[in-house]
Amino acid sequence: SQTIHQWPATLVQPVGSPLSLECTVEGTSNPNLYWYRQAAGRGLQLLFYSVGIGQISSEVPQNLSASRPQDRQFILSSKKLLLSDSGFYLCAWSTRTGANQPQHFGDGTRLSIL
Amino acid sequence: AQSVTQLGSHVSVSEGALVLLRCNYSSSVPPYLFWYVQYPNQGLQLLLKYTSAATLVKGINGFEAEFKKSETSFHLTKPSAHMSDAAEYFCAVSDDGTSYGKLTFGQGTILTVHP
Repeated sequence: SQTIHQWPATLVQPVGSPLSLECTVEGTSNPNLYWYRQAAGRGLQLLFYSVGIGQISSEVPQNLSASRPQDRQFILSSKKLLLSDSGFYLCAWSTRTGANQPQHFGDGTRLSIL
Repeated sequence: AQSVTQLGSHVSVSEGALVLLRCNYSSSVPPYLFWYVQYPNQGLQLLLKYTSAATLVKGINGFEAEFKKSETSFHLTKPSAHMSDAAEYFCAVSDDGTSYGKLTFGQGTILTVHP
């Protein structure tokens, strides 16, 4: 069966520090991959998605970037964190067989910026 | 472009009462629709999905949803609420049929269950 792993589960970082969140998927090949942010009391905001290695699409201009160095690895990064980057970050995957496929989510990373 | 509206950011019911969470969508193409549940500090878990087969879709934990094209709705129901149903629920619609699989989510409904 397929599984998705995100780490770390929680992270506290000072303003201006770098960020690297990792997400890996097991049990499937060529998945679509997604990064979301969920701010307190708000819905899900799609940040990036990827349909293949090295292929990244950004949904919202911001202080973050994403990379996909391997088929089942998705990384969210920042060079200098802002207070507004605080939130709950979720990684998700779906099969690349069309719009009728659901997304499957990891357990998320709670990021707090001090 | 697709959009989703969840009516009511908070819904409160008594244990054993009917749960009804409302979702209306807007889509220029036949939609694919999903309901997810999120417990505190966890990711989203798929409850059920509509993919143009049966209009009444049954999901996990006793939930079901009915697709009504004329009303552009996909409301989530459960006949009898349980304390463990307390969570946040999200309705989502798929994108325009590309292979990207992007979803548009509603703002979520927090369900509270009182004993």
